[in-house]
Amino acid sequence: DAGITQSPRYKITETGRQVTLMCHQTWSHSYMFWYRQDLGHGLRLIYYSAAADITDKGEVPDGYVVSRSKTENFPLTLESATRSQTSVYFCASRASLGAGFAYEQYFGPGTRLTVT
Amino acid sequence: SQQGEEDPQALSIQEGENATMNCSYKTSINNLQWYRQNSGRGLVHLILIRSNEREKHSGRLRVTLDTSKKSSSLLITASRAADTASYFCATDAANAGKSTFGDGTTLTVKP
Repeated sequence: DAGITQSPRYKITETGRQVTLMCHQTWSHSYMFWYRQDLGHGLRLIYYSAAADITDKGEVPDGYVVSRSKTENFPLTLESATRSQTSVYFCASRASLGAGFAYEQYFGPGTRLTVT
Repeated sequence: SQQGEEDPQALSIQEGENATMNCSYKTSINNLQWYRQNSGRGLVHLILIRSNEREKHSGRLRVTLDTSKKSSSLLITASRAADTASYFCATDAANAGKSTFGDGTTLTVKP
């Protein structure tokens, strides 16, 4: 299927466990992003990637690890989950910036993570 | 802290009325985008306006940008119940691949 998918859609885990959220896009977009959205709030950028093997920190990177060995995949790992990481996580992708052009981000459906 | 701040935080109107929401930002931008989020779903892109544009239309949507005031507005005309959603502005700095999102305006359109 074309588009951007996330898995799992729902996850309950315990404090201290490692959790990996998966993101896959089929457009070969250069950019990929991970955001978290806490109840009633906007999006906060965790990490982003401009291309395979290039990643950079966003606004709230602590406690998270990312990798991007292939253009289409951008997994997000919570090394040792904490209750404060309970949130909805959105993955997004975007085409590379051309001279003077910018392109919209396409969002996945989200993963609702609960840390108990 | 967020670059963009939407105002109001919540807006409730009757079907058929117009809805206006505003976004203010702090630093220079290359362009500004508006997104919609239906409850429990991912964000969907609505419209992009570049820093050298002042107004843009897309169907019932009208976006304005005032770079001197560092602000933008989104107008939805003749609103429908299906417009009920949260609306977010996102700003892109020059040569930045990432966007910075505000906290959003929650719009409720009553039938």
